[in-house]
Amino acid sequence: QKEVEQNSGPLSVPEGAIASLNCTYSDRGSQSFFWYRQYSGKSPELIMSIYSNGDKEDGRFTAQLNKASQYVSLLIRDSQPSDSATYLCAVMTARGSYIPTFGRGTSLIVHP
Amino acid sequence: DAGVTQSPTHLIKTRGQHVTLRCSPISGHKSVSWYQQVLGQGPQFIFQYYEKEERGRGNFPDRFSARQFPNYSSELNVNALLLGDSALYLCATTGTSSSYEQYFGPGTRLTVT
Repeated sequence: QKEVEQNSGPLSVPEGAIASLNCTYSDRGSQSFFWYRQYSGKSPELIMSIYSNGDKEDGRFTAQLNKASQYVSLLIRDSQPSDSATYLCAVMTARGSYIPTFGRGTSLIVHP
Repeated sequence: DAGVTQSPTHLIKTRGQHVTLRCSPISGHKSVSWYQQVLGQGPQFIFQYYEKEERGRGNFPDRFSARQFPNYSSELNVNALLLGDSALYLCATTGTSSSYEQYFGPGTRLTVT
């Protein structure tokens, strides 16, 4: 079983819709969770971090964490074509590790 | 403030050669991590250094080595290059010893022929 799993997609949504990206993880002791956006040919860019159960909002982005079910999600409201990218989920365990494990990413396509 | 910088941007090497990649962290950042990313996959962890000490090593062969300098910049060295080493090599830095958020540089695209 892979440690961090994401559907590779592509996830296709119309402009203005809500895009929902999901990530599950296997280590129940994980405490820190991150979402990165990566445009084709570019490096990952940190967009959200979340450490506690519940929702965290930042502009059009909302990260949701459910540790009991071991999943973290990212919602993008009012999706724009410029949001088209691969979204990487990264998970870090609590046991003194500062090394995140990345999922393979979900490709998002926002069409006009 | 300048972000994380990496050099070179692109590199083409032949099998069996050696390569050195360089990373300069964000000012004030003392931790540097190296990742390898192949097409269609997430970044795979190679090394992490904090205050010039190795804090973690991923599942990569001994052909891969790294070090961190007193100014917190870092080098990744790969010996005896294989075709499978072709990838985007990413450097990420973290601000404090207890910070978890990593910020990536632009990467070095290595092609091995």
